[in-house]
Amino acid sequence: EAGVTQFPSHSVIEKGQTVTLRCDPISGHDNLYWYRRVMGKEIKFLLHFVKESKQDESGMPNNRFLAERTGGTYSTLKVQPAELEDSGVYFCASSLGTSGYNEQFFGPGTRLTVL
Amino acid sequence: DQQVKQNSPSLSVQEGRISILNCDYTNSMFDYFLWYKKYPAEGPTFLISISSIKDKNEDGRFTVFLNKSAKHLSLHIVPSQPGDSAVYFCAAVGNKLVFGAGTILRVKS
Repeated sequence: EAGVTQFPSHSVIEKGQTVTLRCDPISGHDNLYWYRRVMGKEIKFLLHFVKESKQDESGMPNNRFLAERTGGTYSTLKVQPAELEDSGVYFCASSLGTSGYNEQFFGPGTRLTVL
Repeated sequence: DQQVKQNSPSLSVQEGRISILNCDYTNSMFDYFLWYKKYPAEGPTFLISISSIKDKNEDGRFTVFLNKSAKHLSLHIVPSQPGDSAVYFCAAVGNKLVFGAGTILRVKS
């Protein structure tokens, strides 16, 4: 069974440009999460989808970030326009159940560098 | 406001010895805790968990201890192996997963 996949693995863009990250969860997992880790710091929650609906987007930094999950399958996270402080590793995770007690399976992450 | 803290950025241990990784939390509403392990260029993978109704959970070489009164948990790895070298994240369950900053473990052979 394929795990969580993310594309691209790395992205280097200039300040002001737009970047779109993609996450494909494990098949059958209704719950999809986005997290971000800034260099050496904690992994921070961004948002949680249940199927195509945003269950919790309290961790989204600002309105330059837009997450979508059309059809309840893969998800995209768009940053527009990107700023220097958006650099970090963006992880996607998926789980079967909704509660935090259900194991979340993480993708390998997308390393975003904004110059 | 960091609710889960891992105050040791790194730890170096000799192969065969015990590794002890520590984690402190501030929110008394957390009732379930997890440890994740992360290798370079990979995502975190679940390692072991503990419910707040327990004070110890063991899985092979890995044991997690929880001290609720001190709001402290620790992960013990015995014996440590070179393949255990990774970043270890402590996480707590509230209405979402809250992670610490991680501890880099290096096991020297």
